[in-house]
Amino acid sequence: LAKTTQPISMDSYEGQEVNITCSHNNIATNDYITWYQQFPSQGPRFIIQGYKTKVTNEVASLFIPADRKSSTLSLPRVSLSDTAVYYCLVGDIRTGANNLFFGTGTRLTVIP
Amino acid sequence: DAGVTQSPTHLIKTRGQQVTLRCSPKSGHDTVSWYQQALGQGPQFIFQYYEEEERQRGNFPDRFSGHQFPNYSSELNVNALLLGDSALYLCASSLAQVSNQPQHFGDGTRLSIL
Repeated sequence: LAKTTQPISMDSYEGQEVNITCSHNNIATNDYITWYQQFPSQGPRFIIQGYKTKVTNEVASLFIPADRKSSTLSLPRVSLSDTAVYYCLVGDIRTGANNLFFGTGTRLTVIP
Repeated sequence: DAGVTQSPTHLIKTRGQQVTLRCSPKSGHDTVSWYQQALGQGPQFIFQYYEEEERQRGNFPDRFSGHQFPNYSSELNVNALLLGDSALYLCASSLAQVSNQPQHFGDGTRLSIL
C-alpha cells in the first residue's frame, strides 16, 4: 500500500500559483497518481491524474519526477473558490480500491 | 451523462437501528466502492463491489454489509448503529480493469446517529 505524505495545510493569496507536493516513496510500477479536491459536505472531485513527467488539463498541472517518489499539484492563479481539501492518492485501481489511501489531505485556504 | 448519485442526502437514526444507503454509479461504470468519512478526516475504504460480489473489504466490522444489483447500482447496509457511525458515506464508481480511469464520487449521504 503506497501511502502518501502531504502538508496538512497551506495558505495562499488570490491570484497566486499554488504548488502542493505529495511524497510517495513506496510507489509501485503500475501505480498512478491521482489528485482530488473536496469541498465541505461534498464528495471528492477528480482534478488530475498522471503516471510520469507532466500532465496538464484546464484546471491544474501535475509534475512527476523521474523516480516517481513524489508529485506536485500546481494550481495557477487560485481564487477564493479553490479553498478546499486536496488529496493525493497513489495506486492501481485495477488491484482494488483498498489500495487507494486518502490520508488527511492538504487544506488550502485562499485569502483575498 | 449522469454522474454518481446517492440517496438519501441526509438521514437521522438512533442507536441500534439499521440503515440502508443507495448509490447509482456513473454511466458506463461497473464497479462501486463505499467510503466512510468522519468529520475532519479523509475517506476510509469500506468495501468494493464488482459483478455483484464483494471483492475487497477495509477494516470495518460485519455490521457493514452491501449489495450490488445487475444494473451495477449498490446499497450499503449498517446494522446495530453506534454513535461512532455518524459520518458522511461516499460512493465511488469506476470501470474495472482500466488502470488509468479514476474513481468518480457522489456527494454522499450524511448519517447522524442520536
